[in-house]
Amino acid sequence: GAVVSQHPSWVICKSGTSVKIECRSLDFQATTMFWYRQFPKQSLMLMATSNEGSKATYEQGVEKDKFLINHASLTLSTLTVTSAHPEDSSFYICSAREWENSYNEQFFGPGTRLTVL
Amino acid sequence: AQSVTQLDSHVSVSEGTPVLLRCNYSSSYSPSLFWYVQHPNKGLQLLLKYTSAATLVKGINGFEAEFKKSETSFHLTKPSAHMSDAAEYFCVVTSNAGNNRKLIWGLGTSLAVNP
Repeated sequence: GAVVSQHPSWVICKSGTSVKIECRSLDFQATTMFWYRQFPKQSLMLMATSNEGSKATYEQGVEKDKFLINHASLTLSTLTVTSAHPEDSSFYICSAREWENSYNEQFFGPGTRLTVL
Repeated sequence: AQSVTQLDSHVSVSEGTPVLLRCNYSSSYSPSLFWYVQHPNKGLQLLLKYTSAATLVKGINGFEAEFKKSETSFHLTKPSAHMSDAAEYFCVVTSNAGNNRKLIWGLGTSLAVNP
């Protein structure tokens, strides 16, 4: 149980285009989903927290107009990187926390590697 | 504020020898603590978690960690390393940000296992 999927697993795009990454909780309802960014050989950096049906809460320094997050259902959140540039190339990881989880355990997706040319 | 420090960025051991990955935390309240493992090109996997129950926590793949409040430590150990243990390990503590508690991540420890 507690499986989180991400799609696509990797994507290459041209500078200036937008890319959408999907995060799905496959066997539980996720009231809260988190989006992280991980640079090579570094730790995870929390970008934003999204609750189903409400606006995402972005961490300081993360541009909300560039990284659009939608959490329209209890099993799906999307991250759209708008007008992507090479500096946006990174490994993006989502996680989801189910409603009944009282210990704040998050279940992680396998990640999406974005390369912007 | 909560924080976590992984004392070693890189640890190298021989196969069959013990593993010790060190983690110290700072928290103004009783935290939840986690160890995650990340293998190359794979997703993060929870090894074990401490949530104010038993201080010695047993996880998957033979790993365990002991919560020591007096030392503010949560070191990860394994009696005998296996080649498949080579990976990046993250120590994580929860923040106290209300209902949307965030995970505060250590910088990671890269474990190499030599044959």
